[in-house]
Amino acid sequence: DAGVTQSPTHLIKTRGQHVTLRCSPISGHKSVSWYQQVLGQGPQFIFQYYEKEERGRGNFPDRFSARQFPNYSSELNVNALLLGDSALYLCASSIETGLNEKLFFGSGTQLSVL
Amino acid sequence: QQQVKQSPQSLIVQKGGISIINCAYENTAFDYFPWYQQFPGKGPALLIAIRPDVSEKKEGRFTISFNKSAKQFSLHIMDSQPGDSATYFCAAPWSGDSWGKFQFGAGTQVVVTP
Repeated sequence: DAGVTQSPTHLIKTRGQHVTLRCSPISGHKSVSWYQQVLGQGPQFIFQYYEKEERGRGNFPDRFSARQFPNYSSELNVNALLLGDSALYLCASSIETGLNEKLFFGSGTQLSVL
Repeated sequence: QQQVKQSPQSLIVQKGGISIINCAYENTAFDYFPWYQQFPGKGPALLIAIRPDVSEKKEGRFTISFNKSAKQFSLHIMDSQPGDSATYFCAAPWSGDSWGKFQFGAGTQVVVTP
């Protein structure tokens, strides 16, 4: 079975540009979460979507937005890129909430902002 | 603010030795405590998790010890192997209703020497 897939794997942008990152969850998983991982730190929660509705937002500015599509895939958009947005962006899917809280992470998109 | 504090930042252990990583949390409403393992170039993968109704959980060579009164939990890797060399993250729910939203510790880089 395919795991969580993310595209692209690497991306280089310049300050002020816009970026769109994509994620396909494991088949049957309806929840998608996005995390930012800066080098040497733990993942930081950005967004969580379940059944196409936003269920949570972390402490990130409005330049960050996301959406989930009817097939449960998801996009993360970042506007007006800053140097500090350089990080590994991780997508995680899960089958449901409640007691089963196992997150399955993709390998991430490495974003470099120059 | 960081509500999950992890230590040490890094550790080196000989093959066959025991690796111990500690985490402290603040919110007593947390009810699920996972540990994730991350290899370079990969996303984190769930290793083992515990709920506060038990004080210890063991899966193979990996054991979580949980101390509710001290608000601490730890990961023990017994008989450490070179393949265990990775970065380990503890985590806790973002709030009482986790919905795929987790706070991660800063990570511990474990190196197992032959």
